Amino acid sequence: QVQLQESGPGLVRPSETLSLTCTVSGDSINAYYWSWIRQPPGKGLEWVGDIYYSGSTNYNPSLKSRVTISVDTSKNQFSLKVSSVTAADTAVYYCARENSRNLFDYYYMDVWGKGTTVTVSS
Amino acid sequence: DIQMTQSPSTLSASVGDRVTITCRASQSISSWLAWYQQKPGKAPNLLIYKASSLESGVPSRFSGSGSGTEFTLTISSLQPDDFATYYCQQYNTYPRTFGQGTKVEIK
Repeated sequence: QVQLQESGPGLVRPSETLSLTCTVSGDSINAYYWSWIRQPPGKGLEWVGDIYYSGSTNYNPSLKSRVTISVDTSKNQFSLKVSSVTAADTAVYYCARENSRNLFDYYYMDVWGKGTTVTVSS
Repeated sequence: DIQMTQSPSTLSASVGDRVTITCRASQSISSWLAWYQQKPGKAPNLLIYKASSLESGVPSRFSGSGSGTEFTLTISSLQPDDFATYYCQQYNTYPRTFGQGTKVEIK
């Protein structure tokens, strides 16, 4: 069965760039969309952006100027970069697969990684 | 952005109770709505997609209904494992947006 695993530094300095990778196992990264979602401590879920295996992306406008999502199909991985981070970017970051049951259905997040905590602090 | 509003924010209930959570969208999202369950320290888990389709492996006591702007998640008989926070999420348009969550607590 498909599994997703987030990896990256747990501590990032203010104004620097947060970089995370999601490794997909048990399925090919091809033919799906792949999302990043974050959750600040004690708060709700915020969708950050997604990428199709072909490389096309969609970003949350609230973060768009600072976010880059990329995909490496040869490694079955996709990645997130958030630049110029502040304490407000402190959160648990999740990666997720987007799936649809039928050809003309829209995509929803059906499989999630366990999440990785990123703290922005000097 | 489409705003998703859940009610109530907190719900106190007992084992065996029938529980209903409401989710309203600020504009029509057809049936492109998912429900997730999240327990403390864990990732969200998909329960329902396309407003009323039960994800494989999810107990049948969970059900979803609605279309357009009004949706409900119902737990027919609350079990001890169901005490958690529930989120709705629209996937009709970008950016994807979540409700603020409903915490189901033990009464």
